[in-house]
Amino acid sequence: ETGVTQTPRHLVMGMTNKKSLKCEQHLGHNAMYWYKQSAKKPLELMFVYNFKEQTENNSVPSRFSPECPNSSHLFLHLHTLQPEDSALYLCASSLDRKAGDTDTQYFGPGTRLTVL
Amino acid sequence: GQQLNQSPQSMFIQEGEDVSMNCTSSSIFNTWLWYKQDPGEGPVLLIALYKAGELTSNGRLTAQFGITRKDSFLNISASIPSDVGIYFCAGHLYSGAGSYQLTFGKGTKLSVIP
Repeated sequence: ETGVTQTPRHLVMGMTNKKSLKCEQHLGHNAMYWYKQSAKKPLELMFVYNFKEQTENNSVPSRFSPECPNSSHLFLHLHTLQPEDSALYLCASSLDRKAGDTDTQYFGPGTRLTVL
Repeated sequence: GQQLNQSPQSMFIQEGEDVSMNCTSSSIFNTWLWYKQDPGEGPVLLIALYKAGELTSNGRLTAQFGITRKDSFLNISASIPSDVGIYFCAGHLYSGAGSYQLTFGKGTKLSVIP
């Protein structure tokens, strides 16, 4: 049990659909992250929120829109995605993004997204 | 961006054998982490290393933070079928403004033959 949950676990959507991914952490952390995991590529950091403020956006296309209403919840809103956006989307949390190099990230189980 | 070179990419071993995998980089890292990812799940933290030269064990797993701070290895002793999965190394690199970027290797896919 990692303390980080993600829903849905699987999602199939068309390119014109709008959907949202949800992440919730029960660890009392203040930082939350979205990663994209594609086959044979390293984990790609997409967005970082620290104390509900977005601190990093790693050149992610605007068809991905994050939302962090509080330190325990993180959403990723999806619209007009492309087939190459199909991947495993992982959420992670940590105590504090600026706590230094001992700030360990804990991952959720991921949402397997398929864009048709 | 900074890269971690993780090897081997995949390995097939007999149950009961020991396993070794490593990560190297041209950059100096402040911490090294090892994660395991089971199929259809997110990465789970196995071991965290915070000091150069540190050797840490977690059951049958042993990991070391290289003395140069540019490498780390993970050993698994007496492998069992549930060790199957993808093992990722990750390192914290200072990225400025008080933040540390967590960089991941591409993973080592481990298969255990009963």
